Amino acid sequence: EPEVTQTPSHQVTQMGQEVILRCVPISNHLYFYWYRQILGQKVEFLVSFYNNEISEKSEIFDDQFSVERPDGSNFTLKIRSTKLEDSAMYFCASSDPLGLYYGYTFGSGTRLTVV
Amino acid sequence: SQQGEEDPQALSIQEGENATMNCSYKTSINNLQWYRQNSGRGLVHLILIRSNEREKHSGRLRVTLDTSKKSSSLLITASRAADTASYFCATPPSTGTASKLTFGTGTRLQVTL
Repeated sequence: EPEVTQTPSHQVTQMGQEVILRCVPISNHLYFYWYRQILGQKVEFLVSFYNNEISEKSEIFDDQFSVERPDGSNFTLKIRSTKLEDSAMYFCASSDPLGLYYGYTFGSGTRLTVV
Repeated sequence: SQQGEEDPQALSIQEGENATMNCSYKTSINNLQWYRQNSGRGLVHLILIRSNEREKHSGRLRVTLDTSKKSSSLLITASRAADTASYFCATPPSTGTASKLTFGTGTRLQVTL
């Protein structure tokens, strides 16, 4: 069964450092997403991406965040200057063109710890 | 209440019993999805029910949707210890295009032997 792959599985970084979280979505999906889950809290939407541009973003996704699809397979989330409150599990997801038929496929996540 | 709230927050049952979780939402939807999350792991899509469907089955899972009450339920029959996880309902907006999912707070299910 096709999978969404995320790397690394765990990243520890110092406050103020830049991090890049990587994702390989399912190859025939056209919509890509990043979500995050702070420990013990709800899964929160960050951003959706379609046709090489952001289609929607939440208020969490401020200027410190950016997304990119540098080639035909990778989808990255960059946090420019990490803060302690960025510590969370970050999930990448992708979906079919309408997201209506098969739901969204999530990766297993990257646990980001900012110290 | 927020879009997508599950109850109960936690449920503990014995193996072999059925588990029922409920989800309520506020706005109109195109579909409603249920996901499972094992502790510290990713989200696994379980089942999707469209707004024009009232019931759907997948293996030991049964999902109902009542759009008049803006509620859905997930029933897991003959539960197993491996079903221990958190279960979330999630809804995309009703615009008909893929966009963000709004997740509920989740039900933590514990299945004991």
